[in-house]
Amino acid sequence: DGGITQSPKYLFRKEGQNVTLSCEQNLNHDAMYWYRQDPGQGLRLIYYSQIVNDFQKGDIAEGYSVSREKKESFPLTVTSAQKNPTAFYLCASSTGPIKTFGSGTQLSVL
Amino acid sequence: GDSVTQMEGPVTLSEEAFLTINCTYTATGYPSLFWYVQYPGEGLQLLLKATKADDKGSNKGFEATYRKETTSFHLEKGSVQVSDSAVYFCALSDQTGGFKTIFGAGTRLFVKA
Repeated sequence: DGGITQSPKYLFRKEGQNVTLSCEQNLNHDAMYWYRQDPGQGLRLIYYSQIVNDFQKGDIAEGYSVSREKKESFPLTVTSAQKNPTAFYLCASSTGPIKTFGSGTQLSVL
Repeated sequence: GDSVTQMEGPVTLSEEAFLTINCTYTATGYPSLFWYVQYPGEGLQLLLKATKADDKGSNKGFEATYRKETTSFHLEKGSVQVSDSAVYFCALSDQTGGFKTIFGAGTRLFVKA
């Protein structure tokens, strides 16, 4: 079955450390997205990519970086510049307006 | 810019009660409207959609009608079950290919047996 796989499910970051969240899809979707979800809040767009080797900043890109070297993969790096990284991170993909989501990664700070 | 406003939760209902979760939007043009559902510890899943005015989306007993005159897309279900307990998100996508989706803040629903 096609879908989106996010790993790991849980991730802990030490102060000053960069961490990378994985997102892989086998849906043959062109567009991929990263969202951040904080408790009781909606989803905020971090980065999105419409095609391979191209990506754009979303509403809260500071402290994050991405790459899109393959159509199937869109990893997100949370850098040490992100001072409040604790959140639930969701990856999504689409070929149009309907998004397909992964099951998320919970990032916490040690 | 475009925005989505939905009723604050949590909403607590007894099993078999009627559910309404209100959603209103502001947008230029004619967006597509969606309801997504998120179960604990999981990502969002599309529940239903409507792409033009007066369209009714429906799935699993849930319904919502695209009302352009009131800029609303309220979610309803006639008889909720314990398994419907989740967070529900109203969302819109603009006409430009739908790459950017605006989500509401989400409404948590608790259904008691």
